[in-house]
Amino acid sequence: ELQLLESGGDSVQPGGSLRLSCAASGFALSSYDMSWVRQAAGTGLEWVSAMSRSGTSTYYADSVKGRFTISRDNSKNTLYLQMNSLRAEDTALYYCAKAGDMSWYDYWGQGTLVTVSS
Amino acid sequence: DIQMTQSPSSLSASVGDRVTITCRARQDISNHLAWYQQKPGKVPKLLIYAASTLQLGVPSRFSGSGSGTDFTLTISSLQPEDVATYYCQKYNDAPLTFGGGTKVEIK
Repeated sequence: ELQLLESGGDSVQPGGSLRLSCAASGFALSSYDMSWVRQAAGTGLEWVSAMSRSGTSTYYADSVKGRFTISRDNSKNTLYLQMNSLRAEDTALYYCAKAGDMSWYDYWGQGTLVTVSS
Repeated sequence: DIQMTQSPSSLSASVGDRVTITCRARQDISNHLAWYQQKPGKVPKLLIYAASTLQLGVPSRFSGSGSGTDFTLTISSLQPEDVATYYCQKYNDAPLTFGGGTKVEIK
């Protein structure tokens, strides 16, 4: 059964850092494009970052460019999101999502909560 | 960046009603559009991709249409379990922007 399990969410002060993890099972991360999508409480979905299946291409929303880095470890079948210089507006539930044949998302994790507050 | 504009932002309809949600892109995205359903407190679920292809297991009362800049999600006969927020998403290229969402309630 295909599963995505996020972890690493926490409460952090503005300016701090966190690394989110998304452990995949039931499929190989290296076979699909993968993304991070976030959702602040009571608001809509915001695409954050994506990595191509080859791992050679990465993409970021303007709101996180230069602060967040997406990566993966094929040996652990795990996707990561390194989040630096965190701001209050980064507070959200962060989902890991697997792309289908193209970049629509057919599987989502349950999410991990990031809270940025002093 | 291509913005995705959904309308309406919310609607209330009766069980059995036909419900239509629209999504508009500022530039041509061909058929690179997906629709998701998010029930309260739940993870988003893929309903439709390639503008009109129903994801496996999704009830046939859901349908999608459109290409270029204008797209539609239709629920042919609204059911109580369809109460949710619906999002469109473009995926022709990054950023893979979502629409603002349409909250569907039962009247």
